Amino acid sequence: GAVVSQHPSRVICKSGTSVKIECRSLDFQATTMFWYRQFPKQSLMLMATSNEGSKATYEQGVEKDKFLINHASLTLSTLTVTSAHPEDSSFYICSARTGGARETQYFGPGTRLLVL
Amino acid sequence: GQNIDQPTEMTATEGAIVQINCTYQTSGFNGLFWYQQHAGEAPTFLSYNVLDGLEEKGRFSSFLSRSKGYSYLLLKELQMKDSASYLCAVMDSNYQLIWGAGTKLIIKP
Repeated sequence: GAVVSQHPSRVICKSGTSVKIECRSLDFQATTMFWYRQFPKQSLMLMATSNEGSKATYEQGVEKDKFLINHASLTLSTLTVTSAHPEDSSFYICSARTGGARETQYFGPGTRLLVL
Repeated sequence: GQNIDQPTEMTATEGAIVQINCTYQTSGFNGLFWYQQHAGEAPTFLSYNVLDGLEEKGRFSSFLSRSKGYSYLLLKELQMKDSASYLCAVMDSNYQLIWGAGTKLIIKP
């Protein structure tokens, strides 16, 4: 299957700092990427849909000024958690849509964020 | 509204067969996906069904009935490493994935 990478895999930061997470589709071009958040023992929650060259579409309840998304190219989307607080600690996962007749989403390995 | 239902938890024995059901009600349908997620890891793609019928891939098979809004994932010859959560997701008319809450599968020796 297609490969999606995510960096960093784990980050610990102080409250008030900003953290940038990168998501790359390594062997295909992804016009659409998705950002999810998953709290322990809970289901995936879609945060936003990122389209190359345009503004991201955020789900209800997700603060667009806090979670900045930039889909700079067909293979790269970034999520920046600005002024992170302990309640932002979570598992952040990106996925990329392959397109084509059998369109599928492939997930990155996830980024575990811990805000102290 | 849109809804995906699957059992919260299931238990099965190593070497046996288990069937995880998923029922859905969505605005439009552009395919149904099954993903496997081990604790602390991101989901991995297992299968995709867009037409009625059974798709077999090794020990895993997935079935779809669009008229019934129903799918199942069948796991054969269960191994301990199959202990994971199994997520059912439907792609709606806007090509967005609608996720079930996942079924935690516990495999016992």
